[in-house]
Amino acid sequence: DIVLTQSPATLSVTPGESVSLSCRASQGISTSIHWYQQKSNESPRLLIKYASQSISGIPSRFSGSGSGTDFTLSINRVESEDFSVYYCQQSYSLPLTFGSGTKLEIK
Amino acid sequence: EVKLEESGGGLVQPGMSVKLSCTTSGFTFSDYWMEWVRQAPGKGLEWVAEIRNKANNYATYYGKSVKGRFTISRDDSKSIVYLQMNSIRSEDTGIYYCTRRGAAMDYWGQGVMVTVSS
Repeated sequence: DIVLTQSPATLSVTPGESVSLSCRASQGISTSIHWYQQKSNESPRLLIKYASQSISGIPSRFSGSGSGTDFTLSINRVESEDFSVYYCQQSYSLPLTFGSGTKLEIK
Repeated sequence: EVKLEESGGGLVQPGMSVKLSCTTSGFTFSDYWMEWVRQAPGKGLEWVAEIRNKANNYATYYGKSVKGRFTISRDDSKSIVYLQMNSIRSEDTGIYYCTRRGAAMDYWGQGVMVTVSS
């Protein structure tokens, strides 16, 4: 199974800061990584597909990069509504797996 | 508008069975692969099962923790995907989400809670 390791587990930032969240795969997965945001008591929402492809309706401050084993979700100038948990997920091979999440919290 | 709505959860005794349904609308259901993903209380996301479309022979796949106990199925005429959960265990407690798999899991239902307790 492909293990996805997200870091850090928690990130404390001030609104207006820019941040990078990391997701590392246990083996090469090309660009078969997707990012989701989950706000408290809500369903996850797709933010980025295939490492860097944007999703309609998602603010442009969210971007993704990476290939192989190392991936990054970047948020340019964090806004108050962005404080939530972020998960990466791979679709390279079954079983589909998720990272354990990064919680973005207000400093 | 794409919609997915889960139903069928609740309190279930260990060892018993429950069947979840996910009713969909707003897209051509028969074209898509569908997934079930769950989330234990306070924990992360765990993929449970996948069912592919007719073009892929309705192939089904399962996570290790549920293989042999859960069965995913679909009714393309009704645009519904199901999850039959048998021999249910306390560790199956959580919110179960139905998702549509486009390039990624691009639409999610609101989730349904399953609580396993005697």
